[in-house]
Amino acid sequence: DAGITQSPRHKVTETGTPVTLRCHQTENHRYMYWYRQDPGHGLRLIHYSYGVKDTDKGEVSDGYSVSRSKTEDFLLTLESATSSQTSVYFCAISEISSEQYFGPGTRLTVT
Amino acid sequence: QKEVEQDPGPLSVPEGAIVSLNCTYSNSAFQYFMWYRQYSRKGPELLMYTYSSGNKEDGRFTAQVDKSSKYISLFIRDSQPSDSATYLCAMSEVNNNDMRFGAGTRLTVKP
Repeated sequence: DAGITQSPRHKVTETGTPVTLRCHQTENHRYMYWYRQDPGHGLRLIHYSYGVKDTDKGEVSDGYSVSRSKTEDFLLTLESATSSQTSVYFCAISEISSEQYFGPGTRLTVT
Repeated sequence: QKEVEQDPGPLSVPEGAIVSLNCTYSNSAFQYFMWYRQYSRKGPELLMYTYSSGNKEDGRFTAQVDKSSKYISLFIRDSQPSDSATYLCAMSEVNNNDMRFGAGTRLTVKP
């Protein structure tokens, strides 16, 4: 998985609680991304980062925030988890924005 | 109408068959076209990457882009059971990090 780790790999949480997912890369790539994958929808971009402290919204950013304080780490926070945020979350990295490499994913269940 | 349409399948073929996977899209500004392979409970892995129109070949895999028809294809020759996976098409505009994915086609190659 191209030097990308995600933690935790599985998480079950309750509605209304905050949740933070972590993506760590060892490739020193400039761009980092967070996607969610749901049946019938494919992968949809939540947020991405183009450098330390530089982030932008993707297609489905409502209810999510991100932070990147170091090149190697990109955090995704669900401010108040809802059942609709039950999904598989993938982190991706790239040096050229069109060639993205994905991590192993985090399965999040919100009950 | 989704920006990227992909037949979800499932598609089942015998070993050795030629497989054709396809996507259509509506955004004429897309210039980068990718195919990803995703095994069950794993992250997507980049298979093929094409810029603009034309063909690209890599071993048993051939990617075709027809921008006039807004149609892309991935061909797999001499398919193997190890090719059994979900195949995702993806595309993006130039200098745009918001890559759009198809929902994926699930392929099974039977020995």
